[in-house]
Amino acid sequence: EIVLTQSPGTLSLSPGERATLSCRASQSVSSTYFDWYQQKPGQAPRLLIYGTSSRAAGIPDRFSGSGSGTDFTLTISGLEPEDFAVYYCQHFGSSRTFGQGTKVEIK
Amino acid sequence: QVQLQQSGPGLVKPSQTLSLTCAISGDSVSSNSAAWNWIRQSPSRGLEWLGRAYYRSKWYNDYAVSVKSRIIINPDTSRNHFSLQLNSVTPEDTAVYYCARASVSRQLGLDSWGQGTLVTVSS
Repeated sequence: EIVLTQSPGTLSLSPGERATLSCRASQSVSSTYFDWYQQKPGQAPRLLIYGTSSRAAGIPDRFSGSGSGTDFTLTISGLEPEDFAVYYCQHFGSSRTFGQGTKVEIK
Repeated sequence: QVQLQQSGPGLVKPSQTLSLTCAISGDSVSSNSAAWNWIRQSPSRGLEWLGRAYYRSKWYNDYAVSVKSRIIINPDTSRNHFSLQLNSVTPEDTAVYYCARASVSRQLGLDSWGQGTLVTVSS
């Protein structure tokens, strides 16, 4: 079973700063089925990025995804107040696996 | 716009069956371009995919290995919903349960989610 490890666990940044979130897979995975989700307290996760680099509907262009093989990255180019949340990477292969999450908090 | 509305009890006794329903509006459970998923979230296990049902000329199911022996996900075409049945629950099954749609047009990304149901397993 593929394990996704996200780093860092917590990212403390100020509004306007750039956030770089990493996700490493325990073995090479298909970039076609690699996604990123955002979750705010008390809410369901929301799809941000699918297929490694495609933004979901309504997602602003400050969010971007990249990567291949075992290493994937979510970048938020300039943090807005509403971006402080928990972010999960996820891969769908024979099963669907989530990372443990990175919390982006206000510094 | 797709909306998923969950319903079901929030408290289940140990050894009994957890049953939840997810009502779909804006799409069809029989769609050839979607799959219907159940996912749960707990502090100890994080986000955990449980399984899915989907229609591609016939019905298919896939289940996570961790729950495969005690889970059923059933579509109901007459009511346009799908359900989760998890048997023989223990306190470790306490979690927030979500239904979600995986869309072929989003490369099977989970693009619509239910509101979540906190299910507590306790006597």
